[in-house]
Amino acid sequence: DAKTTQPPSMDCAEGRAANLPCNHSTISGNEYVYWYRQIHSQGPQYIIHGLKNNETNEMASLIITEDRKSSTLILPHATLRDTAVYYCIVRVVPGSGNTGKLIFGQGTTLQVKP
Amino acid sequence: SQTIHQWPATLVQPVGSPLSLECTVEGTSNPNLYWYRQAAGRGLQLLFYSVGIGQISSEVPQNLSASRPQDRQFILSSKKLLLSDSGFYLCAWSRPEYTSINTEAFFGQGTRLTVV
Repeated sequence: DAKTTQPPSMDCAEGRAANLPCNHSTISGNEYVYWYRQIHSQGPQYIIHGLKNNETNEMASLIITEDRKSSTLILPHATLRDTAVYYCIVRVVPGSGNTGKLIFGQGTTLQVKP
Repeated sequence: SQTIHQWPATLVQPVGSPLSLECTVEGTSNPNLYWYRQAAGRGLQLLFYSVGIGQISSEVPQNLSASRPQDRQFILSSKKLLLSDSGFYLCAWSRPEYTSINTEAFFGQGTRLTVV
């Protein structure tokens, strides 16, 4: 079962920042937070991941609360091509005696509007 | 660079017919391999994963089976398809856990299976 909670849908105006929240109140110390997105009829695409520090890459920023019970994915300037389902996943660190497999929840459908 | 190939892209099969979906990965060794299914309007469900040749773990009881005859080949099969097997099937790979501690998963483009 997925161990994260996300709103089912969100809207964002084109050019504005999209802030996608995720609750993972039962996260363990050896679990990372991963974000993927799935554009319609395609395979999921990795976005970003983090443990406890905030992370930024060319696609997005990830803000993790100090208690690690929630996080926010930020797309700084959303475009129409960012319309997709965004999945927040907690994943056990590989090497802990498991495969680090990804368990997906229902995700958040982000609709970027012109 | 690493690539993942999954075929066919679409498939229409009658109830009771067999199924074989193939996935291959290039440019890496000893990958972890995964099969996911996405029913219409639903999230991604992990079906099988494999950490090596001949090693298959099943996540949910179902009408499907998986095999890994070669290091970079992962096959999803069924002897007799059911209507409920319809869905979008995705293969994915990640680097073996002993090589990296934060390894993302890379997904194929998927196979849309319709059982009629």
